[in-house]
Amino acid sequence: DTEVTQTPKHLVMGMTNKKSLKCEQHMGHRAMYWYKQKAKKPPELMFVYSYEKLSINESVPSRFSPECPNSSLLNLHLHALQPEDSALYLCASRENDEQYFGPGTRLTVT
Amino acid sequence: KQEVTQIPAALSVPEGENLVLNCSFTDSAIYNLQWFRQDPGKGLTSLLLIQSSQREQTSGRLNASLDKSSGRSTLYIAASQPGDSATYLCAVIGWGGYNKLIFGAGTRLAVHP
Repeated sequence: DTEVTQTPKHLVMGMTNKKSLKCEQHMGHRAMYWYKQKAKKPPELMFVYSYEKLSINESVPSRFSPECPNSSLLNLHLHALQPEDSALYLCASRENDEQYFGPGTRLTVT
Repeated sequence: KQEVTQIPAALSVPEGENLVLNCSFTDSAIYNLQWFRQDPGKGLTSLLLIQSSQREQTSGRLNASLDKSSGRSTLYIAASQPGDSATYLCAVIGWGGYNKLIFGAGTRLAVHP
């Protein structure tokens, strides 16, 4: 099973809402990633978790809060987002040198 | 700072043509290079991974080559089909852990019947 799942597929939220994105993999990978992708742009790294500990935070605003409860689950908590945060949020996991991506969550902030 | 460029930005071809997509990077000290496919509004599908010690990888109709000294990789698609229509992204990984991917802007491919 080389699948990374993400829920929800689509999310619309207001600027005062609190929501969470979920990512799950059962491949035993110990590194997981969050990326943000704007329309017609390549993905940009947000966070890297390695062995359930945050390893890289690419200067992402604090309104994005990652959480890694266990080795197969990665959450992204959202609070007080701005319209410019609307994007496709992609999760990935890594085995050896190869990254496997989920289908993404399309987020719209109104 | 590593920069990745993909040429062409867009490509429209009739079915059956053999295609070449180009990727160039500014810092030749890469750990490996990965090619992805992305359908509109979807996630990324890994196509091929080339280690820095390798020169090429093949999977079905796809062949990717790597020339680190010149900072280039090429994705060759043989006998293109309408189902190949997608955006193709290349990404390099530098040394230093965490396998951070640095992406090019992609090539949008349209194969028409």
